[in-house]
Amino acid sequence: EAEVAQSPRYKITEKSQAVAFWCDPISGHATLYWYRQILGQGPELLVQFQDESVVDDSQLPKDRFSAERLKGVDSTLKIQPAELGDSAMYLCASMSKHEQFFGPGTRLTVL
Amino acid sequence: SQQGEEDPQALSIQEGENATMNCSYKTSINNLQWYRQNSGRGLVHLILIRSNEREKHSGRLRVTLDTSKKSSSLLITASRAADTASYFCATDEGGSYIPTFGRGTSLIVHP
Repeated sequence: EAEVAQSPRYKITEKSQAVAFWCDPISGHATLYWYRQILGQGPELLVQFQDESVVDDSQLPKDRFSAERLKGVDSTLKIQPAELGDSAMYLCASMSKHEQFFGPGTRLTVL
Repeated sequence: SQQGEEDPQALSIQEGENATMNCSYKTSINNLQWYRQNSGRGLVHLILIRSNEREKHSGRLRVTLDTSKKSSSLLITASRAADTASYFCATDEGGSYIPTFGRGTSLIVHP
């Protein structure tokens, strides 16, 4: 069964360092989402792509976060510099027929 | 911002009992979806119910939707210890087709 792939699964970094997360959606899924989930809360949308274009990045802290999906397939989310408050689970999802399929997530810890 | 709010925040039951979780939302929606998340993992899609539907079943799961009350419920019948997880509802606000998640209900099923 096709799955959304994410790497790394875990990342520990020091504040002010740069981090990057990678997502490979299910083949053929044009819509891709990045979410941030703080412990004990629901996922919050950071950015939505349709193919290589950004549809919604209104909740993305653009002073430090960037996201790209250059060829409309896999995607990278970057944080530079990381802050203590960025510690969270970063989830990637792709969508088909209004159903989202989530990857396993990347757990980021900023020290 | 979080559109849906689940209730209760936490639920603890014995194996074999039924579990009911509720979700309330604020604006008109196209679809409402329920997801399960095991500790530290990605989200798994359970059921999608459209705004013109009132009830859907999938195995031991039953979802109802009352658009007049802007609420939905998820019923898990004959619960099992493996059902222990957090359950989230996600709604798309007013035609956006961008799922927005609530804070979730943490369900513990004791064997």
